[in-house]
Amino acid sequence: ETGVTQSPTHLIKTRGQQVTLRCSSQSGHNTVSWYQQALGQGPQFIFQYYREEENGRGNFPPRFSGLQFPNYSSELNVNALELDDSALYLCASSLPVDNTEAFFGQGTRLTVV
Amino acid sequence: QKEVEQDPGPLSVPEGAIVSLNCTYSNSAFQYFMWYRQYSRKGPELLMYTYSSGNKEDGRFTAQVDKSSKYISLFIRDSQPSDSATYLCAMSAMGNNNDMRFGAGTRLTVKP
Repeated sequence: ETGVTQSPTHLIKTRGQQVTLRCSSQSGHNTVSWYQQALGQGPQFIFQYYREEENGRGNFPPRFSGLQFPNYSSELNVNALELDDSALYLCASSLPVDNTEAFFGQGTRLTVV
Repeated sequence: QKEVEQDPGPLSVPEGAIVSLNCTYSNSAFQYFMWYRQYSRKGPELLMYTYSSGNKEDGRFTAQVDKSSKYISLFIRDSQPSDSATYLCAMSAMGNNNDMRFGAGTRLTVKP
């Protein structure tokens, strides 16, 4: 098991609602990335946070937003949920250097009904 | 056309077989190439990390990158039932694991 923990593990929300997912990074890792993995697909990059600042963003609308806290933990917030937001949301923590491993958490399974 | 193409399989082999997994890509800016293994209901875990072209070996696993052909491979020797998982290729133009682009994953089953 990696040291990256995500909560909750499963979540069911109604279309139009808002959701907050949480990620606790591996000790000493100050970089956190969030990915969305639809069923049968590879993960898609949402954004990365480094030292509490957004450090890159994928092709996701502004209703996907994030935060990183001084202890390097992170939140992913999604507003105005749509049915297509149903997916596994993964966070990965790493050090901000090249050629280093990103450690993924077990993910949060979000179902929007 | 997707930026990273990976045959989703499924791929089924007998125990002890050599497994070959492949991805092609279209973005010539990619410099960092990774292979992840994902078990059911788990997050991906890194198997191999290669910078630029060339081969890299780690135990039963060998990763190859051919940037001129935009083609990467992962070979698994002496495959074991515990290797049964989904294998994801990933690549990035930047270091520090930023903006990794993943293939769709190949589901592998190794039969005893």
